Amino acid sequence: EIVLTQSPATLSLSPGERATLSCRASQSVSSYLAWYQQKPGQPPRLLIRDASNRATGIPARFSGSGSGTDFTLTISSLEPEDFAVYFCQQRSSWPPTFGGGTEVEIK
Amino acid sequence: EVQLLESGGGLVHPGGSLRLSCAASGFTFSSSAMNWVRQAPGKGLEWVSDVTAGGGNTHYADSVKGRFTISRDNSKNTLYLQMNSLGADDTAVYYCARGKRDGYNLPYFDYWGQGTLVIVSS
Repeated sequence: EIVLTQSPATLSLSPGERATLSCRASQSVSSYLAWYQQKPGQPPRLLIRDASNRATGIPARFSGSGSGTDFTLTISSLEPEDFAVYFCQQRSSWPPTFGGGTEVEIK
Repeated sequence: EVQLLESGGGLVHPGGSLRLSCAASGFTFSSSAMNWVRQAPGKGLEWVSDVTAGGGNTHYADSVKGRFTISRDNSKNTLYLQMNSLGADDTAVYYCARGKRDGYNLPYFDYWGQGTLVIVSS
């Protein structure tokens, strides 16, 4: 199965700063990569599908890029509600797999 | 508004069985692939199982293959997960999620329920 490695595990930033999260795949997943946000006690929320397409209702400060094995989720200017855990997920081959997550915490 | 409401979780002894349900509303359930994804306490996400819109094709994670069975009743807009031979490693919150394929073979997950907690313990 395809292994997704997210880095860093924790990102300590202040509101207004730029967040850059990485997801690396053990083999090419083309552009079949999604990003999710999860807050404590809540289910994940889809942010980005197919590497760079924002899901419905997702603010423009969230953007995704990359293809093949290296992907990035960028939050251009952190809002207080953006502090959460972020997961990537590939849908290139069975089984769908998730990365281990990056926690964006308030510095 | 899309709603997915899971039920059926609880405490079960090792080796026991449990059946989860997910009641869907706010979208055309019978046209949507559906999935179960789980999350062990304090851990990441693990995809468990997928069923196509008509129920004719299913996929399972190796960790549950032969023990779990996904099914659906499109007349009731409900998804199920029958879980047998449960072990401690199956302890998790189980989420029901709609799987979108957008013309490809595998899904991403655009809507999620709130989850139901399964605890396997003696």
